[in-house]
Amino acid sequence: DAGVIQSPRHEVTEMGQEVTLRCKPISGHDYLFWYRQTMMRGLELLIYFNNNVPIDDSGMPEDRFSAKMPNASFSTLKIQPSEPRDSAVYFCASSQGVSNYGYTFGSGTRLTVV
Amino acid sequence: AQKVTQAQTEISVVEKEDVTLDCVYETRDTTYYLFWYKQPPSGELVFLIRRNSFDEQNEISGRYSWNFQKSTSSFNFTITASQVVDSAVYFCALSEASSGNQFYFGTGTSLTVIP
Repeated sequence: DAGVIQSPRHEVTEMGQEVTLRCKPISGHDYLFWYRQTMMRGLELLIYFNNNVPIDDSGMPEDRFSAKMPNASFSTLKIQPSEPRDSAVYFCASSQGVSNYGYTFGSGTRLTVV
Repeated sequence: AQKVTQAQTEISVVEKEDVTLDCVYETRDTTYYLFWYKQPPSGELVFLIRRNSFDEQNEISGRYSWNFQKSTSSFNFTITASQVVDSAVYFCALSEASSGNQFYFGTGTSLTVIP
């Protein structure tokens, strides 16, 4: 199994531009999570999906952030417009069943907004 | 309030020393799960272990061992004979049965093993 695949690994963009982060979960995993990691706030859950349906998006910081999961093998996290304070590492993770089995994380996307 | 506390922000040890990373959690659930993840300098998050609240047996995996004590709400992680490759940030996490799929991560402990 290739694990959770995220792209791109690094993204540098100018303030105001749209950014799209991509994630392919492990096949057969029915939960998908988006996390953001910063020095100040640590690991924050942004949103998670179950069977492609968003379950909890209370962690999404503001309307500039949106996430979709059009099918079981693909999810996107979009920031529009991006701001310097969005600079962080964004992780996607997937799990089979409820979280007590633990997540498998992707390698993350390091986003820098200048 | 923090559900998972890792009081040690940074630890440095000399290679071959033993080191213990502390984790204290807070929950009212009787069913919950505890985890440790490792984040090496390359940045990925690597799953190390999962324990459920009904199993207080300590676990050993090679140089790694975990001490789960419900009486003190602690789930400490010990690395024996540390190696340079153990240098990483280690995160403790809690998942409560009542909170669905929410993971509560600690703030992490950065371990540096000096050769």
